[in-house]
Amino acid sequence: GAVVSQHPSRVICKSGTSVKIECRSLDFQATTMFWYRQFPKKSLMLMATSNEGSKATYEQGVEKDKFLINHASLTLSTLTVTSAHPEDSSFYICSARGPGSDYEQYFGPGTRLTVT
Amino acid sequence: GQNIDQPTEMTATEGAIVQINCTYQTSGFNGLFWYQQHAGEAPTFLSYNVLDGLEEKGRFSSFLSRSKGYSYLLLKELQMKDSASYLCAAMDSNYQLIWGAGTKLIIKP
Repeated sequence: GAVVSQHPSRVICKSGTSVKIECRSLDFQATTMFWYRQFPKKSLMLMATSNEGSKATYEQGVEKDKFLINHASLTLSTLTVTSAHPEDSSFYICSARGPGSDYEQYFGPGTRLTVT
Repeated sequence: GQNIDQPTEMTATEGAIVQINCTYQTSGFNGLFWYQQHAGEAPTFLSYNVLDGLEEKGRFSSFLSRSKGYSYLLLKELQMKDSASYLCAAMDSNYQLIWGAGTKLIIKP
């Protein structure tokens, strides 16, 4: 149990376009989802925390208008990178936490975004 | 501020034992996690410690000392597939994970 999927696994887009990444909890209801990005050989950097039905809480330095997060249901959260630029190229990972769990996070497989 | 320190890289021999250390400073504490991450993949959960002491799970064990702000991950009978990055993460009072930069473990035959 506790499987989280992400789609797409890899995406290449042109500078100036927008890209949507989906994160789904397949066999549990995720009250909280987290979005991370990771640069090569660097640690995970938390971008935002989203709770179902409410606005996401963004970490300092993360532009909420550039990285749009929607947690519309208990099994789906989306991250849209708007007007992407080459510096947005990164590995984006989501994780989900179920109800009744204070600590356990289940990670999706990640999405490799390359902006050309 | 909040901070996690772990070595950048370690090398060990197949069949041997390796200990990866992690020290942490967080605002409040709700447990210490270890994750394994292979290149290009998402992290996978290895262990969670919230009480002092050693937790053993097969070839992997994790230790925590809350008074020292210290943890280690012990890997026994190393296999080539254990070559990966090992991430230490501490959970603060808001149940947010504070991540270390990871320790790249290289296993040599």
